[in-house]
Amino acid sequence: QITLKESGPTLMKPTQTLTLTCTFSGFSLTTGGVGVGWIRQPPGKALQWLALIYWDDDARYSPSLKTRLTVTKDTSKNLVVLTMTNMDPLDTATYYCAHTMGSGPFDSWGQGTLVTVSS
Amino acid sequence: SYELTQPPSLSVSPGQTASITCSGDKLGSKNAAWYQQKPGQSPVLVIYQDSKRPSGIPERFSGSNSGDTATLTISGAQAMDEADYYCQTWDIGTEWVFGGGTKLTVL
Repeated sequence: QITLKESGPTLMKPTQTLTLTCTFSGFSLTTGGVGVGWIRQPPGKALQWLALIYWDDDARYSPSLKTRLTVTKDTSKNLVVLTMTNMDPLDTATYYCAHTMGSGPFDSWGQGTLVTVSS
Repeated sequence: SYELTQPPSLSVSPGQTASITCSGDKLGSKNAAWYQQKPGQSPVLVIYQDSKRPSGIPERFSGSNSGDTATLTISGAQAMDEADYYCQTWDIGTEWVFGGGTKLTVL
């Protein structure tokens, strides 16, 4: 059974850097084809893909946010870390991490964590 | 950048068939997936590779994809199917893309 869980700050100030951690179980990020992605959802709005890291350290980023995002992994601890710089109130959203294979769909999701950006 | 367009809302009566569309340029040449999201919950994958159902998803959920349109069909919609539904595909330039979501009301 695959499980994922996001953790990180719930409240941030504008210009700060967000660091979110996704801790997972039920799969290994050393298995070929496996990836962990990050998706966010502003309150009342649609899902937006942010970033993804593959088993081989190949990292992909949303073109609209790539200058602000970094995704890394620690396979020994079964975790993936997303950093987003220069946070803005418009970045207020629930942030999810999710499992995928290749360029496939996200078949397992974490519970999400709400991050609020306010001065 | 690649975009997917969904109708904002759809309303059906219990037992009716709900068809939710998702439009994108040559979407039929890509793999489409669908997610169900109930209030306060994480998205759940209900259809992948256009028409396949993950384990545990009821048979009343089906999908198709041709031309510029993918369609999620819920045959005999139930009150428990009331949720937001998002389509998603993968494009070489934009990578993972989600539609804007469709709020399905069953009443």
